[in-house]
Amino acid sequence: QQQVKQSPQSLIVQKGGISIINCAYENTAFDYFPWYQQFPGKGPALLIAIRPDVSEKKEGRFTISFNKSAKQFSLHIMDSQPGDSATYFCAASASGSARQLTFGSGTQLTVLP
Amino acid sequence: DAGVTQSPTHLIKTRGQQVTLRCSPKSGHDTVSWYQQALGQGPQFIFQYYEEEERQRGNFPDRFSGHQFPNYSSELNVNALLLGDSALYLCASSFDGEAFFGQGTRLTVV
Repeated sequence: QQQVKQSPQSLIVQKGGISIINCAYENTAFDYFPWYQQFPGKGPALLIAIRPDVSEKKEGRFTISFNKSAKQFSLHIMDSQPGDSATYFCAASASGSARQLTFGSGTQLTVLP
Repeated sequence: DAGVTQSPTHLIKTRGQQVTLRCSPKSGHDTVSWYQQALGQGPQFIFQYYEEEERQRGNFPDRFSGHQFPNYSSELNVNALLLGDSALYLCASSFDGEAFFGQGTRLTVV
């Protein structure tokens, strides 16, 4: 019940295209859903996060869509750039668990020039 | 403002040895969590420290222990190292739920 399932495992997009990564969860206690970007040899960097009281959050080219009834959330990267090539992790946490993050398995995004 | 800093960056240890990893949290952050990230996988929660006490623990054996100091910095100790402990060890500091990660310590056990 603690799992967060992420898909696809890898994604190749042309420059300027839209990258979409999906995550699903089962634990209804989760109430915070961040996305992290990780480059090789670096730690994950917080990109954007959403709480379940809203269905969408946008920051620049990055948008989170959240469907509480389906227990799914997704990251959309608009106008994808080669510099966006990295591994993306969705995560979730619950207020009653000291906010420990449960991560998805990651999506390796490659944006072709 | 320095972010989360971890030391050392890389470390090679022999099976059976003990290792200590260190973390300095982001300024103003009072909570430190440790994660283990195996190659090609998402980070796995080890434990979290708040007010110098272990507040939450993930599914890791007692060989993994930690400490938090009054200045909120933290250490992760791993005893009796196994080959399977080879991973990137990440420290995250947080305040009000938002977690920021350091660059990690790459531990290789040979």
